[in-house]
Amino acid sequence: QLQLQESGPGLVKPSETLSLTCSVSGGSITSAYYYWGWIRQPPGKGLDWIGDMFYSGITYYNPSLKSRVSMAVDTSNNQFSLKLTSVTAADTAVYYCARRTSGSTYDYWGQGTLVTVSS
Amino acid sequence: EIVLTQSPGTLSLSPGERVTLSCRASQTFSSKYLAWYQQKPGQAPSLIIYGASGRATGIPDRFSVSGSGTDFTLTISRLEPEDFAVYYCQQFGSSPRTFGQGTKVEIK
Repeated sequence: QLQLQESGPGLVKPSETLSLTCSVSGGSITSAYYYWGWIRQPPGKGLDWIGDMFYSGITYYNPSLKSRVSMAVDTSNNQFSLKLTSVTAADTAVYYCARRTSGSTYDYWGQGTLVTVSS
Repeated sequence: EIVLTQSPGTLSLSPGERVTLSCRASQTFSSKYLAWYQQKPGQAPSLIIYGASGRATGIPDRFSVSGSGTDFTLTISRLEPEDFAVYYCQQFGSSPRTFGQGTKVEIK
């Protein structure tokens, strides 16, 4: 059974960089059939797509975040990561990592991790 | 960017009732690029419907979808207690991928 688990600081100061890692177990991140993505959910609100990446390094980012976001893959540890620079309170959200199918839906999700941006 | 507007915001229903959730798009796209997710309190969303009619693994056939163009519908034919949740539509036909704001189905 595939499992994804987010990890990283729960509190980030304004203007600093948010860094999260998603650890994948029960399947390989180097599968040719899947992308790996990040989606966030501000408290009490809906879902926002951040971006997806393929293990080879191909990335797709939400244009609204493109100047601040980067994603990377660590195949040796079966992990992928998210960095979001220059954060503000508007970046406070539960951050989910997820597997994206070839059909572009997200079929497996991590449990999510709350990141609060505050001084 | 395709904006998805879901209505109503909240539905208060009883088990056994039929429910229809609407997802309206700001631009036309094919239903094969639409998905629906269910989210229960404190949990991650889970995929329930993908494409024009595909149900995710383990999703019962009381869940169905219809629509085309800019108007799409998720129907639950007979609400079970485990169906009370928030439902989100998502389009993946164009970038950025976007989600609706969600419809909450609560117990009356």
